[in-house]
Amino acid sequence: DQQVKQNSPSLSVQEGRISILNCDYTNSMFDYFLWYKKYPAEGPTFLISISSIKDKNEDGRFTVFLNKSAKHLSLHIVPSQPGDSAVYFCAAMWAAGNKLTFGGGTRVLVKP
Amino acid sequence: DTEVTQTPKHLVMGMTNKKSLKCEQHMGHRAMYWYKQKAKKPPELMFVYSYEKLSINESVPSRFSPECPNSSLLNLHLHALQPEDSALYLCASSQDGGGQGADTQYFGPGTRLTVL
Repeated sequence: DQQVKQNSPSLSVQEGRISILNCDYTNSMFDYFLWYKKYPAEGPTFLISISSIKDKNEDGRFTVFLNKSAKHLSLHIVPSQPGDSAVYFCAAMWAAGNKLTFGGGTRVLVKP
Repeated sequence: DTEVTQTPKHLVMGMTNKKSLKCEQHMGHRAMYWYKQKAKKPPELMFVYSYEKLSINESVPSRFSPECPNSSLLNLHLHALQPEDSALYLCASSQDGGGQGADTQYFGPGTRLTVL
């Protein structure tokens, strides 16, 4: 039972354009959501998070949008840079707990 | 500073060996985690320590034995592993494990384990 899903396994985008990564979840108990970036053979690097009391959080080139009614969140990267090429994981948890549930990941390739 | 360190970076062991993975953080975090990640898969939670006590064991086989000697250190003792246990083992830490609200987990670089 996949509680967090990233339906696009890969995404290719031109440098300077917007990258949009999507994530869906099924467990309505989740109230805190995070995005991580991962290079091969390295640990995930925290990018940005959002609490369920918000619908948008922005940090530099990264913006996360949350639609609670649709149980959907997205990560926008603007402008995309070649160094953004990595696997991006969406993760969810409930604030009272400490267990992160990850999506399957989306591999992003930013072409120069 | 959000650094979590892990040693060794790579480890090759036979099925009869005993080895340990080490993780350290100096951020004052009180929750620490072990994850296992296979190729092209997301990280899977193995264990959670909160305030130096084991709070979650995700039905991990007993050949993996975690230990939290103090709030900054987390070990994973390995014994009689199988080739299918080969994976990237990730350590993470967070402020207090969610007891005081949502808690961001920060990951180390991982130990690449190969079991022959």
